[in-house]
Amino acid sequence: DAKTTQPPSMDCAEGRAANLPCNHSTISGNEYVYWYRQIHSQGPQYIIHGLKNNETNEMASLIITEDRKSSTLILPHATLRDTAVYYCIARNVNYGQNFVFGPGTRLSVLP
Amino acid sequence: ETGVTQTPRHLVMGMTNKKSLKCEQHLGHNAMYWYKQSAKKPLELMFVYSLEERVENNSVPSRFSPECPNSSHLFLHLHTLQPEDSALYLCASSQASGRTHNEQFFGPGTRLTVL
Repeated sequence: DAKTTQPPSMDCAEGRAANLPCNHSTISGNEYVYWYRQIHSQGPQYIIHGLKNNETNEMASLIITEDRKSSTLILPHATLRDTAVYYCIARNVNYGQNFVFGPGTRLSVLP
Repeated sequence: ETGVTQTPRHLVMGMTNKKSLKCEQHLGHNAMYWYKQSAKKPLELMFVYSLEERVENNSVPSRFSPECPNSSHLFLHLHTLQPEDSALYLCASSQASGRTHNEQFFGPGTRLTVL
């Protein structure tokens, strides 16, 4: 699975959009980009995933660059409950049963 | 609620004790996983079961023994643990089709403290 890099921490004002970047410059054509988040002392929560098209669901939007070397998770209207560690994972669904979690980005939503 | 439950939520045990962690998924999935999360460290995959057969074991010490009696239940049996085994133990499940494993859904975890 391709390695991903994320900033260790970010702040966002409540009600504003939170844009979390992820670099995956060595991603291969069969690897999807997954996003999970982990609120303190809870299990990780699946957010969204995509291959090359932008994706949107009720939680977030995922924007993947055309060359697929980076992506951005967008929380359109961040709330205090969105404070968590956000993990970006590049994973080949056809070969890897596991998700390799890195250190992620600690997002703090401020009132 | 993710459809994956874990018990107990908190456990304190001595190094000579034997205990078991339990995980149950209500999602109809056919693959289950154990992860370990130590303080200030990323999640580490411990075991993977697919169709009740262990398919991955990431060099976990033998003092951790998994058991998957059916597709809905997963256990982690613990014996003669060390203080450094204190961590959050997370269970997850997913739907696997052949070699393809979809997104995983995690339980709330068991916070284990070894004295």
